[in-house]
Amino acid sequence: DARVTQTPRHKVTEMGQEVTMRCQPILGHNTVFWYRQTMMQGLELLAYFRNRAPLDDSGMPKDRFSAEMPDATLATLKIQPSEPRDSAVYFCASGPLGRDNNEQFFGPGTRLTVL
Amino acid sequence: AQSVTQLGSHVSVSEGALVLLRCNYSSSVPPYLFWYVQYPNQGLQLLLKYTTGATLVKGINGFEAEFKKSETSFHLTKPSAHMSDAAEYFCAVRGNYGQNFVFGPGTRLSVLP
Repeated sequence: DARVTQTPRHKVTEMGQEVTMRCQPILGHNTVFWYRQTMMQGLELLAYFRNRAPLDDSGMPKDRFSAEMPDATLATLKIQPSEPRDSAVYFCASGPLGRDNNEQFFGPGTRLTVL
Repeated sequence: AQSVTQLGSHVSVSEGALVLLRCNYSSSVPPYLFWYVQYPNQGLQLLLKYTTGATLVKGINGFEAEFKKSETSFHLTKPSAHMSDAAEYFCAVRGNYGQNFVFGPGTRLSVLP
């Protein structure tokens, strides 16, 4: 069945290194969300794309984070340079566009550890 | 602006007992309401949702929730808890004009034997 896929599932890196996380939304979905989950802050929305265009990235630290959708089958979230406080689980979710299509389907997440 | 509160970050029930997880929301537009469940080391999975129509919504795994507009609530219930229900539960709201999803802080449900 159709699922959102995320790679890598786990990433351990050192402070200052670049991290790239990838997401493949469900085919036909044209909204994509990036979330960050930590024990302290819970689930935070980082970015929201509709038809590959960023609609809301107000939750994302602009100085080090960037999110893109090079094409309809790939969304990326980059952190450069990474810091220990970026350690979290990053989830991608996708959903179909439309007034009555209001669900989002989550990927399994990327667990990032920055040492 | 929309917001979601979930009363109780951790709820414990005995196996076979009633599960009640509370969710209250605020929204300036008619809301869509959701409950998601997250098992350890997994992503969030939709349990149920309210969009329009019947205010009592049935979801997977025997869960249901009732939308009460007057109370701005969308509490999640299950008549009889099972050990496999132990997980984290998130309530979320979205306005019906395409706004972003806003998630509550989550409630961790423990089921005791």
